[in-house]
Order: sequence, then structure tokens, then C-alpha cells
Amino acid sequence: SQTIHQWPATLVQPVGSPLSLECTVEGTSNPNLYWYRQAAGRGLQLLFYSVGIGQISSEVPQNLSASRPQDRQFILSSKKLLLSDSGFYLCAWSLGGGVGEAFFGQGTRLTVV
Amino acid sequence: AQTVTQSQPEMSVQEAETVTLSCTYDTSESDYYLFWYKQPPSRQMILVIRQEAYKQQNATENRFSVNFQKAAKSFSLKISDSQLGDAAMYFCAYSMTYKYIFGTGTRLKVLA
Repeated sequence: SQTIHQWPATLVQPVGSPLSLECTVEGTSNPNLYWYRQAAGRGLQLLFYSVGIGQISSEVPQNLSASRPQDRQFILSSKKLLLSDSGFYLCAWSLGGGVGEAFFGQGTRLTVV
Repeated sequence: AQTVTQSQPEMSVQEAETVTLSCTYDTSESDYYLFWYKQPPSRQMILVIRQEAYKQQNATENRFSVNFQKAAKSFSLKISDSQLGDAAMYFCAYSMTYKYIFGTGTRLKVLA
């Protein structure tokens, strides 16, 4: 069966520090991968998605970047965090062209102080 | 650009009663998919129900059913016989060619 792992679960970082959140999927090949951010009391904002190794589509220009160094690994990064980067970050995967459900990781609560 | 709108930030329902959550979307596409996800306090996203736009029949999953009105671009979720465990944030989502677009969510409270 397929599983998705996302870590860390919680993170407190100072303003200006770098960020690296990692997500891996097991049990499937060539998944579509996604990073979403959920701000307090708001919906899920699509940040990045990837349909293959090295292929990254950015939905919202901002302080963050994403990379997909391996087929089932998706990394969200920042060189210098801002206070506004605080939120709940969710990684997800799907197969096909968006015809099935997206499966989500447990999320990372990021607090920038 | 595709958008998903959930106009009810919060809803309440008495246990064992029925509640309907609203969702509208905007798209120029004819073939797409719609979903309702549940996010309990654990914040794990759980799929509740899915609807293919090319199917006229409304999807049902046990106590959960949808009212899909393609022309009106409306996709509401009906929860029958509400249970305390149904209390959660509910997100409506649209997908077409890889991207999943979510609404802002409706917080459902279930009153005992």
C-alpha cells in the first residue's frame, strides 16, 4: 500500500533562518507531488506541484522554493524565512492527471519567530 | 483561473440531524473532478466523497451524498444522521490536469 511521510511535524524557526521540509512517498511510482500551505482559519493554498523529477510548477511567487531530487521525494525550502511563512504545510501525492483523490501527509506546523 | 468558493465559514447541526454544506466553483472546462475532504482536529486530510463531472448521477458514500449541479457549478455535501465524529473542517476541491484547488473550508460543529 502507498504511504506518505512528511517531517518534521512541528518546527519553530527564527526569522531569517533557512527551511527544509521533506516529503517522501512509498509504494507507488511517478506520483504527482504537491505542497500546500494552510494559514490559520483559511483554506489550502497550492504552492508547488511536480509531475516528474526536476519538474516544478510554482503557483504563488514567494519566499519559498521546491525541488524533486528523486521520483518520490519532494522538498520545500527557503533561504531566509519571513514571519509570514508561518503556517501549516501539507504535502500530497496523486496519480494520473488529477482524476483521482490526492493523498495527504500529516503536515508540518511551522512557526517563524 | 479555476476557483472554489465555500460561503459558509461555520455550520452547526444537531446530532442525528441532516446538514448541507455548500460549494460553488468556476471553470470553463467540461471534464473535471470534484471532491469533499474532511479535516478533523488531527488535521489529517481525509477524502469524504468524489464526483466525476461527466457523471450525472450524484455520488453517495453511506451517510454522505452530494448534489451536483453542473450547469450551476454547484457541488453541495449532505450529511445525514450527523454524528459527533463528523465535527471537522470540510473542504471542497476541484481538480483537472494535476492541480487540486481547494475552497476556504466550512467548520462543522455537531451538537449533542
